[in-house]
Amino acid sequence: EVQLVESGGGVVRPGGSLRLSCAVSGFIFDDYGMSWVRQVPAKGLEWVSGINWNGDITAYVDSVKGRFTISRDNAKKSVYLEMNSLRAEDTALYHCARGFERFDPWGQGTLVTVSS
Amino acid sequence: DIQLTQSPSSLSASVGDRVTITCRANQSISSSLNWYQVKPGKAPKLLIYVSSSLQSGVPSRFSGHGSGTDFTLTINSLQPEDFATYYCQQSYSPLLFSFGPGTKVDIK
Repeated sequence: EVQLVESGGGVVRPGGSLRLSCAVSGFIFDDYGMSWVRQVPAKGLEWVSGINWNGDITAYVDSVKGRFTISRDNAKKSVYLEMNSLRAEDTALYHCARGFERFDPWGQGTLVTVSS
Repeated sequence: DIQLTQSPSSLSASVGDRVTITCRANQSISSSLNWYQVKPGKAPKLLIYVSSSLQSGVPSRFSGHGSGTDFTLTINSLQPEDFATYYCQQSYSPLLFSFGPGTKVDIK
């Protein structure tokens, strides 16, 4: 069974940092790109970042460029999202998802709240 | 940047109804359009990819059509488990993907 489990969310003050992790199982991790998509209640889904199978190609939505960094460790079957200079508008449920251009399946998400 | 709009933003329907949701792009995206279903408290689910291909395990009452700028998701014979919010997503723009604003389908 394919599983994606996110962790690392929490409450952080504006300007703070968090590192999200996504551990996967049930498929050959090296064969797939991975992505992070965030979900804000009443605002919908927003693609945040993606990384190809070996980490050579990364991509970000404009609003997080220079603040967020995606990476992966194929040996640990994990993908990460390092988030710096967090803003209130980054508050969301962050999902990791298998795939670089389309996303399936998704994890349940980890909640990030940026508040003073 | 490629912008997606969806219509309607919400709709009310009954079990057994046929429902059609439209997604429009502000420029041609060929067939690079995917559809997702989101239910409260659950992970989003891919339904349709490259405009009209049904994802494995998704019931055949779901179908997608379109190319260029105009796309539709149709649910034939709406079932109780189909009440959810549906999002389109474009995968045409290299390294800059985006979702539509969503269409909420609720019970009439």
